[in-house]
Amino acid sequence: DGGITQSPKYLFRKEGQNVTLSCEQNLNHDAMYWYRQDPGQGLRLIYYSQIVNDFQKGDIAEGYSVSREKKESFPLTVTSAQKNPTAFYLCASSPREGVGGYTFGSGTRLTVV
Amino acid sequence: GENVEQHPSTLSVQEGDSAVIKCTYSDSASNYFPWYKQELGKRPQLIIDIRSNVGEKKDQRIAVTLNKTAKHFSLHITETQPEDSAVYFCAASTPPGNTGKLIFGQGTTLQVKP
Repeated sequence: DGGITQSPKYLFRKEGQNVTLSCEQNLNHDAMYWYRQDPGQGLRLIYYSQIVNDFQKGDIAEGYSVSREKKESFPLTVTSAQKNPTAFYLCASSPREGVGGYTFGSGTRLTVV
Repeated sequence: GENVEQHPSTLSVQEGDSAVIKCTYSDSASNYFPWYKQELGKRPQLIIDIRSNVGEKKDQRIAVTLNKTAKHFSLHITETQPEDSAVYFCAASTPPGNTGKLIFGQGTTLQVKP
């Protein structure tokens, strides 16, 4: 899957539940990112991480949390505080912040039921 | 922070015609400008990119131009084919040492009619 794997592909969340989306890369990339994609709104940055044990909020971080305990992994938790979580979530990585383009995962489609 | 505006939101052309998508950015420190193509239900794929020390870059039927003074850059697709139909995103990034993250435009849905 191009070196970056997202799972699951589809995820259903009940109201009030926290869910975690997985993102794993074997490209030895330093930086990792989470974006949310809604129709007609492009890709909006949720969180990003440049190095292990460090991450920064993006433009729409409210209701989300992340961790970066390993270089290869950057899981995203969608908490119950996120009132409109239904969207397509894309994880990406790059060799170094600001250098070169991203490699994207295949995405997770989250639906609230 | 950086803001990227992309136009048009939808574009329909006849097969064989050219297509042009334009983006403007706000941060004059931005120095890297990639373009991504996303087919329905799939991940975005990098198709071409340009750095701020270059004014134009071409790869077969695809070209990107950059005007640093006006802070805008454009994607040009010539001799369009039905398989070019997709959503195209532009993005801008500032150098390492600043935030460096990619900020994306809103996307352009390109439809190439056979």
